[in-house]
Amino acid sequence: EAQVTQNPRYLITVTGKKLTVTCSQNMNHEYMSWYRQDPGLGLRQIYYSMNVEVTDKGDVPEGYKVSRKEKRNFPLILESPSPNQTSLYFCASSFRGYGYTFGSGTRLTVV
Amino acid sequence: AQTVTQSQPEMSVQEAETVTLSCTYDTSESDYYLFWYKQPPSRQMILVIRQEAYKQQNATENRFSVNFQKAAKSFSLKISDSQLGDAAMYFCAYRGNNAGNMLTFGGGTRLMVKP
Repeated sequence: EAQVTQNPRYLITVTGKKLTVTCSQNMNHEYMSWYRQDPGLGLRQIYYSMNVEVTDKGDVPEGYKVSRKEKRNFPLILESPSPNQTSLYFCASSFRGYGYTFGSGTRLTVV
Repeated sequence: AQTVTQSQPEMSVQEAETVTLSCTYDTSESDYYLFWYKQPPSRQMILVIRQEAYKQQNATENRFSVNFQKAAKSFSLKISDSQLGDAAMYFCAYRGNNAGNMLTFGGGTRLMVKP
């Protein structure tokens, strides 16, 4: 089954404790991206990757890092999480930006 | 920068009736894609319908259809014969010709379906 797998589904952490949210896709898509969803704001892009070792900032990149060492994986890293990063996060992959497949989301709470 | 506006934070519809969700967008591009996504309580983002701007014909998918008015920059979603399973958040999204293939989303409309 074609899918994007995100883990964990829920995460509660403390301010400043580094964390990684994993994302993996099995569709051989070159394009992958991360979004955060906040009430009333819809989803906003954090980072994207057009291919292995090619990443760039989206609309709200502050406080986040990504890496793309393999085509299938695109982890999101929060080096020093803060409460304003409490949000619902989605990973997505796409074939040339025409069709997007989203992961099931990660609910992150930073206390 | 492109913006997408959904002016109805919440809508309700009676089961079996028809409802229309509104979406407007702002862009200077002539070639782009528009999407409607459904997000049920499971949080999964599900593609409902897609419209290419160069196509004049409105997209349809079973009970779902759009009214795409390019000059007015309007992209409304019509749900016919509403079912209880249609209850969800609906997001309108725009994708232009940007390097990141970024989707720009509206704030969402919560649709409630009354039995």
